[in-house]
Amino acid sequence: KNEVEQSPQNLTAQEGEFITINCSYSVGISALHWLQQHPGGGIVSLFMLSSGKKKHGRLIATINIQEKHSSLHITASHPRDSAVYICAVPNAGGTSYGKLTFGQGTILTVHP
Amino acid sequence: GAGVSQSPRYKVTKRGQDVALRCDPISGHVSLYWYRQALGQGPEFLTYFNYEAQQDKSGLPNDRFSAERPEGSISTLTIQRTEQRDSAMYRCASSLGQPGLGEQFFGPGTRLTVL
Repeated sequence: KNEVEQSPQNLTAQEGEFITINCSYSVGISALHWLQQHPGGGIVSLFMLSSGKKKHGRLIATINIQEKHSSLHITASHPRDSAVYICAVPNAGGTSYGKLTFGQGTILTVHP
Repeated sequence: GAGVSQSPRYKVTKRGQDVALRCDPISGHVSLYWYRQALGQGPEFLTYFNYEAQQDKSGLPNDRFSAERPEGSISTLTIQRTEQRDSAMYRCASSLGQPGLGEQFFGPGTRLTVL
């Protein structure tokens, strides 16, 4: 089973600050997911990446396959970015490619 | 187009009753996943389908839980003889390609409360 660790668990920032959330996993993978869960409960997929870096608006995700580590960055943070951010990785080994293991989530609060 | 839909959105039931939770994936999506999320916790994998084939059900907690997707589209998660510990948010997701190969789109969830 792939073990997933996120840090920090809680993060408080002032509007405009640069945010970094980290995710480490124990077994090599083909791709990693970053998800956002809004205060209302809905889950949205932000990124699925297997190498390098992806950018979408103010969000940037990077992954280092060799070091088994990914980061999610938010530039110029805004109160509407307040949410829980979750990384997830597929089951390692075997053929159950659709089985994801989730991190415990990072609760981000951005104050105006 | 329409996203993933789930019904009912809220279900309150008494201990011992059976419940059926429905997931309607995005049209054309091959893969369908079921997750459970307890309050304050991250999602937990239950099972997933590739078309109508249930390829992994290792996350189902016990034999009271079952899932089907008979025509490769709509899926039903059934919990028999519900217990209070089954109370949680049950979410489904779907993805366009083969399991594990693409972004997953999540439904709004069904909040199950077992009294």
